[in-house]
Amino acid sequence: GNSVTQMEGPVTLSEEAFLTINCTYTATGYPSLFWYVQYPGEGLQLLLKATKADDKGSNKGFEATYRKETTSFHLEKGSVQVSDSAVYFCALSFQGAQKLVFGQGTRLTINP
Amino acid sequence: DAGVIQSPRHEVTEMGQEVTLRCKPISGHNSLFWYRQTMMRGLELLIYFNNNVPIDDSGMPEDRFSAKMPNASFSTLKIQPSEPRDSAVYFCASTQGLAGGFNEQFFGPGTRLTVL
Repeated sequence: GNSVTQMEGPVTLSEEAFLTINCTYTATGYPSLFWYVQYPGEGLQLLLKATKADDKGSNKGFEATYRKETTSFHLEKGSVQVSDSAVYFCALSFQGAQKLVFGQGTRLTINP
Repeated sequence: DAGVIQSPRHEVTEMGQEVTLRCKPISGHNSLFWYRQTMMRGLELLIYFNNNVPIDDSGMPEDRFSAKMPNASFSTLKIQPSEPRDSAVYFCASTQGLAGGFNEQFFGPGTRLTVL
């Protein structure tokens, strides 16, 4: 079946540190890949996406590259801010499909 | 646009009581999803509808849970009778559900349910 695995959290960093949150997937076929972010007390919102191999999604200083050879979609940011503290979810879906398959989420805390 | 609207935002009830959670999707969206989020199990898809028809309810935990979508602008998730292990945050999400391409899911703010 299709599944997504994220690095275990929680992750705690200092402001301006470099961030990597690992995400790998198992899927039959070639899914689209997403990162969603959940700020405290809110629902999830789409952060970035990539729909085919070697695509790079980017938004708000975050980036992730769709790596088919390693079935990965790691999230990176060069310099994190306190406002980036949130839970991050990696997810996959297939073209035209309604359903998203989510990873377990990684809680990120940025200290000033 | 007001986004996905959920009510109530918080619900505290006693074991055995009936609980009804409500969701209004974004206008024009034709797919609606109910999720449950807990610390232990993470984010779980309970059920989703397309054009008001339930498509996949394999995530509904047991017969105590039921969901309806009587029209394109309203859905309910009911738990009867409720149990303490149902305590969680319940999210509703909607999407345009276009055939082909990527359909971003828009999430509501959630309903935090506590069953005592």
